[in-house]
Amino acid sequence: DTAVSQTPKYLVTQMGNDKSIKCEQNLGHDTMYWYKQDSKKFLKIMFSYNNKELIINETVPNRFSPKSPDKAHLNLHINSLELGDSAVYFCASSQDGGGGKGHGEQFFGPGTRLTVL
Amino acid sequence: AQTVTQSQPEMSVQEAETVTLSCTYDTSESDYYLFWYKQPPSRQMILVIRQEAYKQQNATENRFSVNFQKAAKSFSLKISDSQLGDAAMYFCAYRVPAGGTSYGKLTFGQGTILTVHP
Repeated sequence: DTAVSQTPKYLVTQMGNDKSIKCEQNLGHDTMYWYKQDSKKFLKIMFSYNNKELIINETVPNRFSPKSPDKAHLNLHINSLELGDSAVYFCASSQDGGGGKGHGEQFFGPGTRLTVL
Repeated sequence: AQTVTQSQPEMSVQEAETVTLSCTYDTSESDYYLFWYKQPPSRQMILVIRQEAYKQQNATENRFSVNFQKAAKSFSLKISDSQLGDAAMYFCAYRVPAGGTSYGKLTFGQGTILTVHP
């Protein structure tokens, strides 16, 4: 009964390939996020979706394309992978309904370590 | 733009002792949330404690408490009776309530690595 799950947990691939990371939450939350943690452990928002609608897109290269088929899922597709894409990618979710004010907590998935060779 | 600063890259503490991790932030908002997250070697992000800016009372969760100084924009985490399992990277994070273009994104500090010595 994992709250936020991601697959795969590890992804090793060659430069130039296309790959996807999947995320699912069973908390009934209406907002989902993708964060990137770089080699120095710095965490930065990439995207945010609320009820399947893209809300935040933080100057991420066009090679990254999020897709939210429904409220419980937010997938991340990466085209033409580059060495600099190597990082840990975290999915998170929160409940922000009810007039736009939630308690603020975001629940994180276990992360996907992407290594581009 | 909001920024979060953790000025201590590393801290260490003896088991059973108390340690305080520092965090400062910059914002022009009056309503926001502050969090401390823990990231052990397993890399799972675990919420430790939350503080709403409108609350004057400092949040407490068992051995974890915060010292929230809104005017000084300071949000430190105190861990009492430190345990070996507290060893991890700790992140301070800031968030405005959902709504608008930021829609509740978390802005993180650089992190502080906490070592607990037996």
